[in-house]
Amino acid sequence: AQSVTQPDIHITVSEGASLELRCNYSYGATPYLFWYVQSPGQGLQLLLKYFSGDTLVQGIKGFEAEFKRSQSSFNLRKPSVHWSDAAEYFCAVGAEKLTFGTGTRLTIIP
Amino acid sequence: KAGVTQTPRYLIKTRGQQVTLSCSPISGHRSVSWYQQTPGQGLQFLFEYFSETQRNKGNFPGRFSGRQFSNSRSEMNVSTLELGDSALYLCASSLDILYSGNTIYFGEGSWLTVV
Repeated sequence: AQSVTQPDIHITVSEGASLELRCNYSYGATPYLFWYVQSPGQGLQLLLKYFSGDTLVQGIKGFEAEFKRSQSSFNLRKPSVHWSDAAEYFCAVGAEKLTFGTGTRLTIIP
Repeated sequence: KAGVTQTPRYLIKTRGQQVTLSCSPISGHRSVSWYQQTPGQGLQFLFEYFSETQRNKGNFPGRFSGRQFSNSRSEMNVSTLELGDSALYLCASSLDILYSGNTIYFGEGSWLTVV
């Protein structure tokens, strides 16, 4: 069975600081991995995805993620956060259906 | 081009009633899937339709059903509503079947409150 763990429920960072959100997955084959962001009252917006190839994936809004098969991880990073990045972030894995992690809520302090 | 459109955006129903939610996928997309989001259970997969056929189904009771029309639009229905069905119901579309590696785009959801 596929599963996703996001160990951090809530993270607070200062504006301009770097960010790393953790994601660990369990999947029986080469995984399709995704990061989505959700602002309050909104749907999910895709930040980036990994299907194959280069393990460092670039996404929108300056985000990137690195696939590490040996660690079953797909951590999301951003070198400098902006106040508008405050939202909930979901990691997901799947091919026929998506299994989501429980999400990490990101708070930005000025 | 227009994104995934879900209607209605907000609705309130009474226990025991039934509800139908609608989803119009991105033009050209043939796969539509539905997810339920609640504070307690998070995001859970309901079902996926492709070319009017249900291909996958999540672990939900039979009160939850769906269908897809020839124009790829989809509806989901929940009968005999329970308080626990209160949730954000998200529809997602993709160009083709999920395991072909297509990007999945989500709508803004339908907020259902059961009282």
